[in-house]
Amino acid sequence: SQQGEEDPQALSIQEGENATMNCSYKTSINNLQWYRQNSGRGLVHLILIRSNEREKHSGRLRVTLDTSKKSSSLLITASRAADTASYFCATAGNTGKLIFGQGTTLQVKP
Amino acid sequence: DADVTQTPRNRITKTGKRIMLECSQTKGHDRMYWYRQDPGLGLRLIYYSFDVKDINKGEISDGYSVSRQAQAKFSLSLESAIPNQTALYFCATSPGPLLETQYFGPGTRLLVL
Repeated sequence: SQQGEEDPQALSIQEGENATMNCSYKTSINNLQWYRQNSGRGLVHLILIRSNEREKHSGRLRVTLDTSKKSSSLLITASRAADTASYFCATAGNTGKLIFGQGTTLQVKP
Repeated sequence: DADVTQTPRNRITKTGKRIMLECSQTKGHDRMYWYRQDPGLGLRLIYYSFDVKDINKGEISDGYSVSRQAQAKFSLSLESAIPNQTALYFCATSPGPLLETQYFGPGTRLLVL
């Protein structure tokens, strides 16, 4: 069963706009990670946020984590056509495994 | 990521055939994973290995087996392929012991006829 549920499943925006994706999970975590996947390719790690952190930034990416609500959000600012991809959240608990959500497909129109 | 390679990249096989997907890594990581990806279902864990002598079943191990031949190599076998095993298969590695970033291979696209 999936730990992470992502919302929305698909998102289409214009270049320059911000894109926000949300992830909810069910059980306690050690950290939550976001990955990006270009069509049919391997996933690439974007950012990791630990359970004791509330916000983290990396370039145009901003991730928030609310452990009381068991949710996280990924914000991509000033989006570019090259940001078009699928984005997955993944949670890490005490089992030594990552559990992935179903992903959000982002299309950025030039 | 060229540090994690998968062969073959694409494979077409017939129902009932045995096939092997191979994964090699030069990252020196102890932990390796096999996932399958189906449209709309995200990634699901098939098997994982924390070191050469440690093999664990994941969420969907039925119909699959693995072999960890060395720290750098982790193979996935489909003993008797069936059409619903048609999917995109990914190998990944991560450094232990704390679960941090996973590094993915480019994937193997498998079609079972």
